[in-house]
Amino acid sequence: SQKIEQNSEALNIQEGKTATLTCNYTNYSPAYLQWYRQDPGRGPVFLLLIRENEKEKRKERLKVTFDTTLKQSLFHITASQPADSATYLCALDIGAAGNKLTFGGGTRVLVKP
Amino acid sequence: GAVVSQHPSRVICKSGTSVKIECRSLDFQATTMFWYRQFPKQSLMLMATSNEGSKATYEQGVEKDKFLINHASLTLSTLTVTSAHPEDSSFYICSATRLARLDTQYFGPGTRLTVL
Repeated sequence: SQKIEQNSEALNIQEGKTATLTCNYTNYSPAYLQWYRQDPGRGPVFLLLIRENEKEKRKERLKVTFDTTLKQSLFHITASQPADSATYLCALDIGAAGNKLTFGGGTRVLVKP
Repeated sequence: GAVVSQHPSRVICKSGTSVKIECRSLDFQATTMFWYRQFPKQSLMLMATSNEGSKATYEQGVEKDKFLINHASLTLSTLTVTSAHPEDSSFYICSATRLARLDTQYFGPGTRLTVL
């Protein structure tokens, strides 16, 4: 069966450290993978998109890697700040018409000052 | 740019009533709009995909007669939960894509529906 898995346990991290989140998937062949941030009671906010032919993408303090052999993406927040505390969702393009996405369960990050 | 709004942000209704939720793209024309629901501590589940002027495409297991979607213009889609029951209580979120960036969805702030 098709699955997208993110670590369901919250990630507690000290301010200034790097947070690393994992997204693993099975039985998908996505053309691209995306990461979103979601704050409590709010809709997700798009952060980064990485395509199947890209190994790494960066945006300010964020870095995403995509390994289609391992079927895994890693999401890094460097020099983390308390304002980075949120739930982070990975999403895959499922190859259907209309650019439909399927989402992982999300990982909650808590950055402590 | 690429702002999506939803109205209302919260709604409480009695069992058996219908509730309409609006989703608007404020500064762009939406090629496609999507409707999701999210239960507490769970991820987003796609309910349906909607294109202006055509019937919505529903995901497996989503009752189209229960969740009516109308996509009247390139900037407005509505979701009506008909004859709502307590199990329909959830967080409903819409998203939209724009022609210049079809691979990215821009999400609304969500609507919290509570059915008593």
